[in-house]
Amino acid sequence: SQKIEQNSEALNIQEGKTATLTCNYTNYSPAYLQWYRQDPGRGPVFLLLIRENEKEKRKERLKVTFDTTLKQSLFHITASQPADSATYLCALEAGNQFYFGTGTSLTVIP
Amino acid sequence: DSGVTQTPKHLITATGQRVTLRCSPRSGDLSVYWYQQSLDQGLQFLIQYYNGEERAKGNILERFSAQQFPDLHSELNLSSLELGDSALYFCASSVGLAGTYEQYFGPGTRLTVT
Repeated sequence: SQKIEQNSEALNIQEGKTATLTCNYTNYSPAYLQWYRQDPGRGPVFLLLIRENEKEKRKERLKVTFDTTLKQSLFHITASQPADSATYLCALEAGNQFYFGTGTSLTVIP
Repeated sequence: DSGVTQTPKHLITATGQRVTLRCSPRSGDLSVYWYQQSLDQGLQFLIQYYNGEERAKGNILERFSAQQFPDLHSELNLSSLELGDSALYFCASSVGLAGTYEQYFGPGTRLTVT
């Protein structure tokens, strides 16, 4: 079955720096990949979708890359702010199933 | 506010019991998804409905069942509950069938089985 791995460790960065989160997947070649943000006790919120034919996608301070050869997506938050502190999940659809990674917990320190 | 509503917010019940979780999708969304999130398992896809029909099935136990009604709201039925079923259950909705559409998640129902 599909396996998605995200940074296993929590990520702590200083305000203003760029946070980079990693999502690696196996056993399938998804046509697209999605990123969500989840705050404690709340439902995930959609951030970005990137398709296999797109190398990079941007939205304000967010940037996502998709390397189908490496089977990896990178999620960047530039000029990070304490309000960016949350858990970030990557997700993909494979064989009519929806798979989410376990998420990376990001803390931005003022 | 995503526009997806879920009831109840919290549910405490005993092992062996049966419960029903309810979800109303965003206005105009035809797809409804159910997910289970526990601390050790992350977000697990259970099942998807599109316009009243089951479209995709994940790791949903036989003790669990779901349906989507003509008004597009959905219910997830959990029976013969076990301690391990304690989790946050999320419903999500999207406009279309395929996963290229972003999913809007509800606030979740926290189920505690004692």
